[in-house]
Amino acid sequence: EPEVTQTPSHQVTQMGQEVILRCVPISNHLYFYWYRQILGQKVEFLVSFYNNEISEKSEIFDDQFSVERPDGSNFTLKIRSTKLEDSAMYFCASSNQGSYQETQYFGPGTRLLVL
Amino acid sequence: GQQVMQIPQYQHVQEGEDFTTYCNSSTTLSNIQWYKQRPGGHPVFLIQLVKSGEVKKQKRLTFQFGEAKKNSSLHITATQTTDVGTYFCAGKSQAGTALIFGKGTTLSVSS
Repeated sequence: EPEVTQTPSHQVTQMGQEVILRCVPISNHLYFYWYRQILGQKVEFLVSFYNNEISEKSEIFDDQFSVERPDGSNFTLKIRSTKLEDSAMYFCASSNQGSYQETQYFGPGTRLLVL
Repeated sequence: GQQVMQIPQYQHVQEGEDFTTYCNSSTTLSNIQWYKQRPGGHPVFLIQLVKSGEVKKQKRLTFQFGEAKKNSSLHITATQTTDVGTYFCAGKSQAGTALIFGKGTTLSVSS
């Protein structure tokens, strides 16, 4: 069964450094998402992406964050200058519809630790 | 903004007992989805409810969507140790693409 994959599985970085989290969505999916989950807390929506542009973003997704689909398979989340509070598990998700009935399939996540 | 509340936060049961988690939204939802997350894992899609008053079953799991499409519940009959994990509800508004998650209910089961 096709799966969303994410790399790296773990990332440790110094505060102020840039990080890029990578995702390979399911191949025929067109809608892509990033969520994050701070340890012990709920999953929070960051951004949705379709047709090479952002469809929706949350308050968390400020100017320090950006997303890109650099080629036909990868979907990346960049954090320009990491802060301690960016430490979280970051999940990528994809779906093949953008409708209200879509199912979003989550990747295994990247655990980001900012020191 | 839209909020999804979920209770209880934690529930411990003896194996064989039933378990229920409840989800309530501040706004009417277009659908509600349920996910299960094992410790250290990622959210895994369980089911989606779309229609007002809808009830769906998956073996020992029963999912309900309220008539007003603002609340939902997940009921597990005769829990097993394999049911351990955190169960999240996630709602989607009519207009948005984002899934708004509840805080989850963490279920532990002792044998």
